[in-house]
Amino acid sequence: DSGVTQTPKHLITATGQRVTLRCSPRSGDLSVYWYQQSLDQGLQFLIQYYNGEERAKGNILERFSAQQFPDLHSELNLSSLELGDSALYFCASSVDGQGTQYFGPGTRLLVL
Amino acid sequence: TQLLEQSPQFLSIQEGENLTVYCNSSSVFSSLQWYRQEPGEGPVLLVTVVTGGEVKKLKRLTFQFGDARKDSSLHITAAQPGDTGLYLCAGDLLDSSYKLIFGSGTRLLVRP
Repeated sequence: DSGVTQTPKHLITATGQRVTLRCSPRSGDLSVYWYQQSLDQGLQFLIQYYNGEERAKGNILERFSAQQFPDLHSELNLSSLELGDSALYFCASSVDGQGTQYFGPGTRLLVL
Repeated sequence: TQLLEQSPQFLSIQEGENLTVYCNSSSVFSSLQWYRQEPGEGPVLLVTVVTGGEVKKLKRLTFQFGDARKDSSLHITAAQPGDTGLYLCAGDLLDSSYKLIFGSGTRLLVRP
C-alpha cells in the first residue's frame, strides 16, 4: 500500500459525459501527479500540482482539467468523453515535487 | 519518439533463469527509478538511482545507473514466477521540468 488513495476504482460512462476522479496523496506529500495509461501508449504524464498550484503540464487534452485543493487532495475532471479516453488513470504523489513518486491503485475508466 | 527506450518489450523465461532489462536514452537524468506494475494496479517503486555508476541490490534484483546517467539496467538472478509483471523505468530530467519520463515497459513472464 503506497498510501495514495484514488476513487472510484472503476467507472463506466457514456460518450459525451463528464466524470471526476479523486486522489488523496500520502500524508505529508505536497505534490500530486496525474497519469493516463492505455494499452497502446504506456504511461503518459498529464499534469502536476504542487501545494495547490499547477507546476507542470504534459499531454493533457483541453477537455481535461485538474486542481489541487487546500487539503492537498486533487481531482481530475474529464469532459465530453470519447471512446479513446478509456484507460487507467493514476495519481501519484511526492514530498517535494521532485524525484520519487508513489502511485495510487488507479481508476479504470470505460467509455461506452 | 520515446525519450526512454526499454528493451526487450516482452520476455518469457523459465523459472531459475537470469535476465537483464535495459533502459536507454540520449538525455541525461538527475535520477532514474524502476517500478514494477501488476495487472490492474499502480506501479510500485522498486529503487531510485541518483549517482552515475551507482549499483543497488534488492534481493535477487540488481540495478545499475550508467556512468553518464543516460541509461540503466535491471538484472534479475534466478527469476521466480512472482517476478512476473510489467517493469517500468522512469527518468527525472535535469531540465527542472519536474516531469518523470516513463519508458514503454518490459513485460516479463516467468514460467514455473
